[in-house]
Amino acid sequence: NAGVMQNPRHLVRRRGQEARLRCSPMKGHSHVYWYRQLPEEGLKFMVYLQKENIIDESGMPKERFSAEFPKEGPSILRIQQVVRGDSAAYFCASSPPPGDSYEQYFGPGTRLTVT
Amino acid sequence: QKEVEQNSGPLSVPEGAIASLNCTYSDRGSQSFFWYRQYSGKSPELIMSIYSNGDKEDGRFTAQLNKASQYVSLLIRDSQPSDSATYLCAVILTGGSYIPTFGRGTSLIVHP
Repeated sequence: NAGVMQNPRHLVRRRGQEARLRCSPMKGHSHVYWYRQLPEEGLKFMVYLQKENIIDESGMPKERFSAEFPKEGPSILRIQQVVRGDSAAYFCASSPPPGDSYEQYFGPGTRLTVT
Repeated sequence: QKEVEQNSGPLSVPEGAIASLNCTYSDRGSQSFFWYRQYSGKSPELIMSIYSNGDKEDGRFTAQLNKASQYVSLLIRDSQPSDSATYLCAVILTGGSYIPTFGRGTSLIVHP
C-alpha cells in the first residue's frame, strides 16, 4: 500500500516565480492537509481539503497561496510570486474520512528554496 | 486559542533508559491525541494515537493520557540511539474540523 507521495522533493525558484507542489494521498484516503515547517519551528497548518472541496483554509496566507484537490489527480499547493520567506519544508498529510480514523500520515515533503 | 505545549529540550538519556516526553494542551474538549517522531530533515512519522484516559502500549512505546490534568505523555523504554529525534505531540478537538494542533516538539538524544 503506497504511502503519501509528494513531488518534487526539492524545488528551487527565483523570487517572483511560481511554485507548484503536488501531493497524492495514501490509497483509501480522501482528505488532504498541507503544512509548512520553517527551520527549528513547528508544523503550521495551512489548508485542509477533500476532493473538489476546501474544508478549511484558515492557515493559508490570503495572498499568493492557493490549493486544490481535483476529482482526478493530486492535490496541488500553488505559491505565486515567491519570496525568500516562502523557503520552507512543505508537508502533505492524508487521512481517511473523519469518523473512520483521525490519524494523519505524512508524505516526504517538498523543500522549497527561493533564491 | 488552542495551544499544545512541549518542552523543546534537548532531553538527553543514556542508552537503555526510559525516556519520558510530556505534552500539555489548553483545550478541554480535545479528544484525539497523537505522537509523531521526526528525524532531522525528514517528515513526521506517526508513532501512537490515544483517545481514552489511561495507558496504551505498543512495543517499547507507551502513551499516557490524563484528560483531567490535560496532559499526554510518551514513554520510550530501553531507549536506543536510533530513537534520537524530535517528538511532536498533536491534538485534535473532535467535532471541529479535525485539524490537529502540533506542539513544537521535544528533541530527544539517546547517548551510548
